Amino acid sequence: DAEITQSPRHKITETGRQVTLACHQTWNHNNMFWYRQDLGHGLRLIHYSYGVQDTNKGEVSDGYSVSRSNTEDLPLTLESAASSQTSVYFCASSEGGRMNTEAFFGQGTRLTVV
Amino acid sequence: AQSVAQPEDQVNVAEGNPLTVKCTYSVSGNPYLFWYVQYPNRGLQFLLKYITGDNLVKGSYGFEAEFNKSQTSFHLKKPSALVSDSALYFCAVRARANTGFQKLVFGTGTRLLVSP
Repeated sequence: DAEITQSPRHKITETGRQVTLACHQTWNHNNMFWYRQDLGHGLRLIHYSYGVQDTNKGEVSDGYSVSRSNTEDLPLTLESAASSQTSVYFCASSEGGRMNTEAFFGQGTRLTVV
Repeated sequence: AQSVAQPEDQVNVAEGNPLTVKCTYSVSGNPYLFWYVQYPNRGLQFLLKYITGDNLVKGSYGFEAEFNKSQTSFHLKKPSALVSDSALYFCAVRARANTGFQKLVFGTGTRLLVSP
């Protein structure tokens, strides 16, 4: 079965370190997204990608970057981790070009910056 | 701007009773509406969606949602709640941003607690 997987599931890092969260999907979806989930804010969009070599900023992109070198993967990098980036991060994917398709989510990565 | 409001942080219901989780939206153009559920330490799971057609949409696990265009609402419902329905529920709307991107906007979530 097709799926979307994130790794690691849990990560503790120190302030100032670079951290990369992995996201891999086997749906062959063109669209991929990164969200962060924080109490009282729901899910907020960090970055998204329409397809290979395409990346775009979401509403809370400062301090984050992504790259899309193939269809399956969209790694999220925190350039210099800050305590404000302690959160649960979700990757998602959806079929490209259609408004009526649902997104599929990974199980999340809980990141703690100390 | 597109937005979704879930006015209740938490909904409490007794097992066997009907449940409603409220959602209202604001979007230009036709709304594409979704409900997702999140169980503890899990990702979001798709429940149901409204695209067009019947205003009552049926989804997974016995859930349904009623689309009301005049009230811009998309409330989630279930005739008889189960303790296992206790989870965090998110309403979302998909709309096309100025860049053409299909932006998925989420509400802040409603925690459903079903008591035995």
